[in-house]
Amino acid sequence: DAGVIQSPRHEVTEMGQEVTLRCKPISGHNSLFWYRQTMMRGLELLIYFNNNVPIDDSGMPEDRFSAKMPNASFSTLKIQPSEPRDSAVYFCASGLWGSNYGYTFGSGTRLTVV
Amino acid sequence: DAKTTQPPSMDCAEGRAANLPCNHSTISGNEYVYWYRQIHSQGPQYIIHGLKNNETNEMASLIITEDRKSSTLILPHATLRDTAVYYCIVRVDNQFYFGTGTSLTVIP
Repeated sequence: DAGVIQSPRHEVTEMGQEVTLRCKPISGHNSLFWYRQTMMRGLELLIYFNNNVPIDDSGMPEDRFSAKMPNASFSTLKIQPSEPRDSAVYFCASGLWGSNYGYTFGSGTRLTVV
Repeated sequence: DAKTTQPPSMDCAEGRAANLPCNHSTISGNEYVYWYRQIHSQGPQYIIHGLKNNETNEMASLIITEDRKSSTLILPHATLRDTAVYYCIVRVDNQFYFGTGTSLTVIP
């Protein structure tokens, strides 16, 4: 199993541009989570899905952020327009909803907005 | 949202056991305790989890007190590669909320 795959690994963009981060969960997992990590705020849960349906997006910081999961094998996190304060490492994790096992995290996307 | 308290940092000599404490005094009866670690620039890695019994796997042991208000993660023979931030998490409604964790430094 290749694990949770995120792309790109690094993204540098100019303020005001649209940014799309991608995540492929582990096959068979039915829940997916997006986290953001910064030095100031640590790891923050942004949004999570169960069976491709968004369950809770209360962690999404602003309307500029949106996430979709069109099918069980793909999710995107979009920021439009991007701002310098969005610079962070964004992690995706997947797991089995209702299972007691831990979730598996991807390697993250390091986003820099200049 | 974090329901756990951990010391911000700890040191451990290479080859010795690393004992990382965690307080979770408000834990509910059916909430599990999970431990993850994050090595610099990598995604968090699952280590172990437990409800009330002590648990052991190939990575570590988890000791949970009888009242379940605290736990200890034990790395039996710490190596330099165990240097990382260790997070103790109480899972709430299928979600993991990470606190600030303990930064463990293994010293040669």
